Amino acid sequence: GNSVTQMEGPVTLSEEAFLTINCTYTATGYPSLFWYVQYPGEGLQLLLKATKADDKGSNKGFEATYRKETTSFHLEKGSVQVSDSAVYFCALNNQGGKLIFGQGTELSVKP
Amino acid sequence: EAGVAQSPRYKIIEKRQSVAFWCNPISGHATLYWYQQILGQGPKLLIQFQNNGVVDDSQLPKDRFSAERLKGVDSTLKIQPAKLEDSAVYLCASSLAGIAGYNEQFFGPGTRLTVL
Repeated sequence: GNSVTQMEGPVTLSEEAFLTINCTYTATGYPSLFWYVQYPGEGLQLLLKATKADDKGSNKGFEATYRKETTSFHLEKGSVQVSDSAVYFCALNNQGGKLIFGQGTELSVKP
Repeated sequence: EAGVAQSPRYKIIEKRQSVAFWCNPISGHATLYWYQQILGQGPKLLIQFQNNGVVDDSQLPKDRFSAERLKGVDSTLKIQPAKLEDSAVYLCASSLAGIAGYNEQFFGPGTRLTVL
């Protein structure tokens, strides 16, 4: 079946540190891959997406590359800010519109 | 553009009681989703509507959960009777389409349900 696995949190970083949140997936065929972000007290928002192998999604300084050979879609940011503190969810879509989410990774950035 | 609206935002009930949640999707969005997010987990799809027809309800516990989308717009999700393990955030999302290809899903703020 389809599934998504993320690194466990919480992840605590100092401001301006480099961020990597690992995400791997299991799926048949060629899913689309997404990162969603949930800021405290807010709903889920799409952060970035990639729809085919080797695509790179990017937004707000965050990037993730669709790696089919390693079935991965790791989220990276070169310099995090306090305002990036949130829960990040990796997700895939393999058929129809249903999204399958990982368990989420909480990021806390300290000044 | 108005986002996905949900109400209530919070609900506390005793086990075996019933509860209903309401969702108003973004205008023009044909596809509507209800997800359940248990604390510490990612959202899990309960049911997907295309207009007012059900596309996927394979993960909906049909002995206690029901959902409808009359006239292909608003939707309600009901739990009757509630169990302790139903404590979760119930998220509604909508998209332009969801069957033939992927369209971005827009999420509402969610309803946090606590079952005592």
